[in-house]
This record gives sequence, C-alpha cells and structure tokens, in this order.
Amino acid sequence: DSGVTQTPKHLITATGQRVTLRCSPRSGDLSVYWYQQSLDQGLQFLIQYYNGEERAKGNILERFSAQQFPDLHSELNLSSLELGDSALYFCASSERGGSSYNEQFFGPGTRLTVL
Amino acid sequence: AQSVTQLDSHVSVSEGTPVLLRCNYSSSYSPSLFWYVQHPNKGLQLLLKYTSAATLVKGINGFEAEFKKSETSFHLTKPSAHMSDAAEYFCVVSDQADTGNQFYFGTGTSLTVIP
Repeated sequence: DSGVTQTPKHLITATGQRVTLRCSPRSGDLSVYWYQQSLDQGLQFLIQYYNGEERAKGNILERFSAQQFPDLHSELNLSSLELGDSALYFCASSERGGSSYNEQFFGPGTRLTVL
Repeated sequence: AQSVTQLDSHVSVSEGTPVLLRCNYSSSYSPSLFWYVQHPNKGLQLLLKYTSAATLVKGINGFEAEFKKSETSFHLTKPSAHMSDAAEYFCVVSDQADTGNQFYFGTGTSLTVIP
C-alpha cells in the first residue's frame, strides 16, 4: 500500500459526459501527479501540482483539467468524453516538487470506460 | 530532452534463471533513473532508484540495476527469477527542472516466468 488513494476504482460513462477523479496523496506529500495509461499510448504524464499550484504540464488535453485543494487532495476533471479517453488514470505523490531524486508513490488507479 | 528506451517489449525466462531487462536513456542532465513494477490490475511500485550515488543500485525483491554512463544504460537484473516476478516493468528517467520533476516512462517490458 503506497498511501496514495484514488476514487472511484472503476467508472463507466457515456461519450460526451464529464467525470471527476479524486486523489489523496500520502500524508505530508506536497506534489501530486496525474498519468494516463492506455494500451496504445502507454504511460503518459498529464499534469503536476505542488502545494496547490500547477507545476508542470504534460500531454493533457484541453478537455481535461485538474486542481489541488488546500488539504492537498487533487481532482482530475475530464469533459466531453470520447471513446479514446478510456484508460487507467493514475495519481502519484512525492514529497517535494522540484527535485528529480524524489520517487513518486502511485495510487491504485481509476479505470475509466467510455461507452 | 529526456527519454527512455526499453529494448524488449516482452521477456520470458524460466523460474530460477537470471532476469535481464534492458533500458537506455537519453538525458541532458545528470539523470535520476528509476525502475517501477506493475502487477496486473495494480498500481506502480518502486523497485529501485539511481540518484548519482553508487552506480550499482540494489532494490527490493532481489533486483538490482547498474548505471553505466558511457553506455547510457540502466539495465535491471535479478539472479534468479520467481513466479511472483511476472509483471510489467517500467524504466523511468526524471527531469531535473526547476518547474517540477517530470517522469518520462519507457514503454514497458512484460516479464513472463515459466514454471
């Protein structure tokens, strides 16, 4: 158990809909990262937040957005969903935001299925 | 730019024989390198990391990796495979940037252990 929690575990929805994925980092971790894992794209970094502020952006679509709240939990919002958004979405956390030495601790993931 | 190449998408070994999973990296900086393992329907777990200390890094479950700067490699090895080692393995390079540490994942190597 990494100490990172994600809810829900599974999510099934229809095209065009909007969903929210939630992540609680390990106690004391200030950085939260979101990743998308799909069969054709592999593991893709989406976005990073550090202590409430956006820190780095990867391959995140404009239909997707995220935020980190004062209690450090984070939410990833996916809107106007398409079939291709079906994937496993991981959240990870680490102690600090700027050091490359810090390993990231991954949650169990949310499996999103868009029908 | 940082990138990682995992040279084998699939490796199959017999139980009790050595494991070698190959990884080459490209980095503009002195890199931080990680190996993560993902068991089916699970999140990613850190096996080991290199952060410019000893070039031979020991991890959990008997795995180790050697950082070779001249070859830009960070291959993962284990002397004797166990059935429980069957999983997906990811090599990761971390970007040492002021704006946050992004992880760049390889495409993964699926390890099969034959009884």
